[in-house]
Amino acid sequence: AQSVTQLGSHVSVSEGALVLLRCNYSSSVPPYLFWYVQYPNQGLQLLLKYTSAATLVKGINGFEAEFKKSETSFHLTKPSAHMSDAAEYFCAVSGPASSASKIIFGSGTRLSIRP
Amino acid sequence: NAGVMQNPRHLVRRRGQEARLRCSPMKGHSHVYWYRQLPEEGLKFMVYLQKENIIDESGMPKERFSAEFPKEGPSILRIQQVVRGDSAAYFCASSVQIAGEGETQYFGPGTRLLVL
Repeated sequence: AQSVTQLGSHVSVSEGALVLLRCNYSSSVPPYLFWYVQYPNQGLQLLLKYTSAATLVKGINGFEAEFKKSETSFHLTKPSAHMSDAAEYFCAVSGPASSASKIIFGSGTRLSIRP
Repeated sequence: NAGVMQNPRHLVRRRGQEARLRCSPMKGHSHVYWYRQLPEEGLKFMVYLQKENIIDESGMPKERFSAEFPKEGPSILRIQQVVRGDSAAYFCASSVQIAGEGETQYFGPGTRLLVL
């Protein structure tokens, strides 16, 4: 069985500050890991994905995430927050990595940016 | 290349009516997934289809819900005799398997169903 846990349903940072959104996963098979962003009343946009090629994954909009197998974590970071980063962020897992399969989503973290 | 298309974007139904949600996958994509997002929650998997086949329906409610992906035309998620608890955003995703890269699902804008 697979699952993801996002720590913190709401994170608030100041503009220009570091963004850190936490995600821990559980998977009995080599996982694919994802971060998606959802803006209000819109669909999900893929930020980045981990497919075992490299543990540090760079995504769009300056975001990156590091896969740490020993900690079963896949935290999302951005060095400097922009007002436009305010949105809902979802960590997700799927697998096995060799086949198509459903995605299991975390419950989401709402990111707010303070001016 | 157009993205995943869903229509309608918003749908209002009265209790007991039927809701039909459509999803056109990205060109060249043969896999379609449906997810449901209840207010203030994450997305929950419902069903995975390939052309003319249901591959995994483990997330579909046993009654009133059905899905299809015909040889021609869009995928359809059908909800019969809707109840207020069916009010949610329904997202479709499509994907294709690429050798060496695995699979990435691309999401449509969603259909927001409101049951009065």
